[in-house]
Amino acid sequence: QKEVEQNSGPLSVPEGAIASLNCTYSDRGSQSFFWYRQYSGKSPELIMSIYSNGDKEDGRFTAQLNKASQYVSLLIRDSQPSDSATYLCAVSSVMRFGAGTRLTVKP
Amino acid sequence: SAVISQKPSRDICQRGTSLTIQCQVDSQVTMMFWYRQQPGQSLTLIATANQGSEATYESGFVIDKFPISRPNLTFSTLTVSNMSPEDSSIYLCSVIRGNTDTQYFGPGTRLTVL
Repeated sequence: QKEVEQNSGPLSVPEGAIASLNCTYSDRGSQSFFWYRQYSGKSPELIMSIYSNGDKEDGRFTAQLNKASQYVSLLIRDSQPSDSATYLCAVSSVMRFGAGTRLTVKP
Repeated sequence: SAVISQKPSRDICQRGTSLTIQCQVDSQVTMMFWYRQQPGQSLTLIATANQGSEATYESGFVIDKFPISRPNLTFSTLTVSNMSPEDSSIYLCSVIRGNTDTQYFGPGTRLTVL
């Protein structure tokens, strides 16, 4: 079993829709969870971090964490074409990355 | 966040040669890491660069192939030794600052080995 797994994608949503990205992890002791966005040819940039169970909102982005079920998700509301990128889930402490989900938002 | 620069940004190298990649941060950071991202793949941690001591390597990576230095709190180098085409990849440094565990990434070095 991979340490961090993401829904494989690619994921395509129409502009204005909600994009839902999911991630599961194997280490029950993990305490820190991150979502990064990576545009083609660029390095990953941090979108959000989450440490406690529940939801954390930042603008159009909402991260959800459920430690009992060992999953973390990212919701993107009102998706824009500029959101088209690969989204990487990362789990700390020695950060492990998922394979990424490529999101395409169609105008 | 931290301002991180890497040199070179890209290079094309011949098989059997070595390339040293530099990572410079604008201020002191707690931890520095080196990752590899092969085409179409996610990030794989190579090692943690420890200031003043030997790097801590992940399974599958060895010091002879990827020697790392970190002489101070703002600078690190990764050398890719005796390169083969399989080493063609993007190499990224990342840093953690202060007491957080959030990593910030440098712009990456795109390496092509012929």
